[in-house]
Amino acid sequence: DTAVSQTPKYLVTQMGNDKSIKCEQNLGHDTMYWYKQDSKKFLKIMFSYNNKELIINETVPNRFSPKSPDKAHLNLHINSLELGDSAVYFCASSQDATTANYGYTFGSGTRLTVV
Amino acid sequence: GQQLNQSPQSMFIQEGEDVSMNCTSSSIFNTWLWYKQDPGEGPVLLIALYKAGELTSNGRLTAQFGITRKDSFLNISASIPSDVGIYFCAGPSGANNLFFGTGTRLTVIP
Repeated sequence: DTAVSQTPKYLVTQMGNDKSIKCEQNLGHDTMYWYKQDSKKFLKIMFSYNNKELIINETVPNRFSPKSPDKAHLNLHINSLELGDSAVYFCASSQDATTANYGYTFGSGTRLTVV
Repeated sequence: GQQLNQSPQSMFIQEGEDVSMNCTSSSIFNTWLWYKQDPGEGPVLLIALYKAGELTSNGRLTAQFGITRKDSFLNISASIPSDVGIYFCAGPSGANNLFFGTGTRLTVIP
């Protein structure tokens, strides 16, 4: 069983479209995250959710919105996609919001290409 | 702003060689984590360090928490082809989320 699963693995779409990436974790963790990895492989946090409440919202465009129907899911919705949104997006989870010390469990990523 | 710089940026080594890489911070960290990212996959935790001066091993991997708490080192002994990937250091940021280093890309030549 995959601990943190993301779908789709690959997403190619045109500029201006709206798209969603789904993430599910079966670890019973309370906190989930979205990271963006750019072409230089820099990993940067975008959002984190703890028990369905947004607790970090880094300086990302408001075209990006996380949606969490329950604590096992954290989906990422992107409006009006731009070329610069092309990247690999990683979902991750941790036991709770205080356990950054123990590391996160990451999904295998969604490669988004905007054309 | 906070920075975690890793060096070298990339390495090409022969199978069987030992590897050393490091991570330096502009601020003090109380925890150092080392992750490996295989091509097409997400980062996977390799080693966690919680105390200045601590030396921890995981198989052929050994990591050290620097005394100044501003650096950490990762060594891989007797490298094998499956060691290929990107190695990241990471630590909790002020907002208690994980902040990642710039990465070291390792290529092992059989």
